[in-house]
Amino acid sequence: DSGVTQTPKHLITATGQRVTLRCSPRSGDLSVYWYQQSLDQGLQFLIQYYNGEERAKGNILERFSAQQFPDLHSELNLSSLELGDSALYFCASSAPVGTEAFFGQGTRLTVV
Amino acid sequence: AQSVTQLDSQVPVFEEAPVELRCNYSSSVSVYLFWYVQYPNQGLQLLLKYLSGSTLVKGINGFEAEFNKSQTSFHLRKPSVHISDTAEYFCAVSDPHSGAGSYQLTFGKGTKLSVIP
Repeated sequence: DSGVTQTPKHLITATGQRVTLRCSPRSGDLSVYWYQQSLDQGLQFLIQYYNGEERAKGNILERFSAQQFPDLHSELNLSSLELGDSALYFCASSAPVGTEAFFGQGTRLTVV
Repeated sequence: AQSVTQLDSQVPVFEEAPVELRCNYSSSVSVYLFWYVQYPNQGLQLLLKYLSGSTLVKGINGFEAEFNKSQTSFHLRKPSVHISDTAEYFCAVSDPHSGAGSYQLTFGKGTKLSVIP
C-alpha cells in the first residue's frame, strides 16, 4: 500500500458527461500529480499541484481540469467526455524533501 | 525536452534465467532515473532509482540497474527471474531542477516481462 488513495476504482459513463476523480496523497506530501495511462499513448503526465498551487502542466486537454484543496486532496475533473478518454488515471504524491513519487491504484474510466 | 525509449515491448524469459530490460533516455540536462513495475490491475510500484553517486543501483525483489551517462542508458537486470516477476516494467526520468519535491515523470512505453515456467 503506497498510502495514496484514489476513488472511485472504476467509473463507467456516457459520452458528453462529466466526472470527478479524487485523490488523497500520503500524509505530509505536498505535491500531487495526475497521469493518464492508455493503450495508444502510454503513461502521460497531465498536471502537478504543489501545496494548492499549479506547479506544472503536461499533456492535459482543455476539457480536463484539476485542483488541490487546503487539506491537500486533489480532484481531476473530466468534461465533455469522449470515447478516447477511456483510460486508467493515476494520482501520485511526493514529499517536499523526498526522492520519489508514490502512486495510487488508479481509477479506470470507461466512456461508452 | 526529455524522452525515454524502452527498446523491447515484450520480453519472454524462462524461470530462473537472467533478464535485462533496456532503457535509453534523451535529455539535455542531468536527470533522475527510475524503474517502476506494474502488476496486472494494480498501480505503479517503485523498483529502484538513480539520483546521483554510484552508477549501480540495487532495488527491491533482487533487481538492479546501471546508469551509463555516456550511453544515456539505465538498463534493468535480474540474475534469476521468478514467475512472480511477470509484470510490466516502466523506465522513467525526471528533471532534478524542476523544484523541491517535484518528481514529474516522463515514462517509456513499458516492457512486458513474461516469465515462462
